[in-house]
Amino acid sequence: DQQVKQNSPSLSVQEGRISILNCDYTNSMFDYFLWYKKYPAEGPTFLISISSIKDKNEDGRFTVFLNKSAKHLSLHIVPSQPGDSAVYFCAARLGLGAGGTSYGKLTFGQGTILTVHP
Amino acid sequence: EAQVTQNPRYLITVTGKKLTVTCSQNMNHEYMSWYRQDPGLGLRQIYYSMNVEVTDKGDVPEGYKVSRKEKRNFPLILESPSPNQTSLYFCASSLFRQATSGANVLTFGAGSRLTVL
Repeated sequence: DQQVKQNSPSLSVQEGRISILNCDYTNSMFDYFLWYKKYPAEGPTFLISISSIKDKNEDGRFTVFLNKSAKHLSLHIVPSQPGDSAVYFCAARLGLGAGGTSYGKLTFGQGTILTVHP
Repeated sequence: EAQVTQNPRYLITVTGKKLTVTCSQNMNHEYMSWYRQDPGLGLRQIYYSMNVEVTDKGDVPEGYKVSRKEKRNFPLILESPSPNQTSLYFCASSLFRQATSGANVLTFGAGSRLTVL
């Protein structure tokens, strides 16, 4: 049962344009959502996060939007740069309401390969 | 430099030959975890540790063992590797499990690519 889904395995964008990466989830017990970026031959690195009580969080060129009613979040990169080409993982954290030892557990999506062309 | 170090980075082995992937962090993190990355499945948690001598199963623990005798080290042991354990493995650590932003989030190692023939 995939609780966090990234339905687009890949995305190709022209430099300077907007990249939009999507993520859907099913568990209403998630209280935080995070995006990680991964370059080849490296481990994932944290990019940006958002609390479930917010609908937007911005950090420079990166903005994450959360639509709780649709159980959907998206990462916007504006403007996209060739150095943004990487695999992007969405992750969701189980909140206190999940109970017991589940609190804090991260569930990752399948990842989306972003390619930004010069 | 604050980091998580995994070894080996690449390994080809044969079915049934016991192997250990080491993981060490220099950030005094309480929480450590192992993940495997497979195409179409993303990152799945194998085992995690909340502190020294405290370990627990993740989502896909079958065929793996771990130990946490010291705070900085969290080795992953494959007692009898099988071809379905061919994967890319990541060790990660954080101050505590519930970290969500800034310096407290998971720091990952560079990965260990394991092939079991």
